[in-house]
Amino acid sequence: TQLLEQSPQFLSIQEGENLTVYCNSSSVFSSLQWYRQEPGEGPVLLVTVVTGGEVKKLKRLTFQFGDARKDSSLHITAAQPGDTGLYLCAGVNTGRRALTFGSGTRLQVQP
Amino acid sequence: NAGVTQTPKFRVLKTGQSMTLLCAQDMNHEYMYWYRQDPGMGLRLIHYSVGEGTTAKGEVPDGYNVSRLKKQNFLLGLESAAPSQTSVYFCASRRPERGGVSYEQYFGPGTRLTVT
Repeated sequence: TQLLEQSPQFLSIQEGENLTVYCNSSSVFSSLQWYRQEPGEGPVLLVTVVTGGEVKKLKRLTFQFGDARKDSSLHITAAQPGDTGLYLCAGVNTGRRALTFGSGTRLQVQP
Repeated sequence: NAGVTQTPKFRVLKTGQSMTLLCAQDMNHEYMYWYRQDPGMGLRLIHYSVGEGTTAKGEVPDGYNVSRLKKQNFLLGLESAAPSQTSVYFCASRRPERGGVSYEQYFGPGTRLTVT
């Protein structure tokens, strides 16, 4: 069974602070996705990273895929209350038709 | 496009009752999924389908059945509801992956089910 562990599970910070969320596995994934879920809604895709070592930036969010394609991180610069939500990583493997989801990091940004 | 829709949005059942959750997508996606989300547990895959007429078990299939008679619909059934099935249920759909890269998975808004 492939497992994805996310840390931290919960994070409460003040507006303007920086933070990093981690997604780790002992398995290799062919690509990895990050989703954000707001209360009362379904998750929405933020990014897909494909190549080991790849870095993608989405405004204040920076995503990195580990060189060995077993881990990923999400860094948010100058967090805003609108960043509040549950962040989920999901691993993809060729031939496996279902994503493997991490347990999530719940982020709360206080104004 | 409506994307992925789920019916109903909320439901309260008594132990032993049965019900069917309906998921519909208008994006012509091959793959469809049913997940449950419990506090602190993330998303757990119940069943999934890679095409019309095909279904497969996920990691927590017990107590649930599914059917995919039409490409755009994926039904989740609870034959005899139990309090342990109290959860938020999400349906999702996507195109098949290509070259090991997964396309975006689109989620419905969820169904909040309480079993008393």
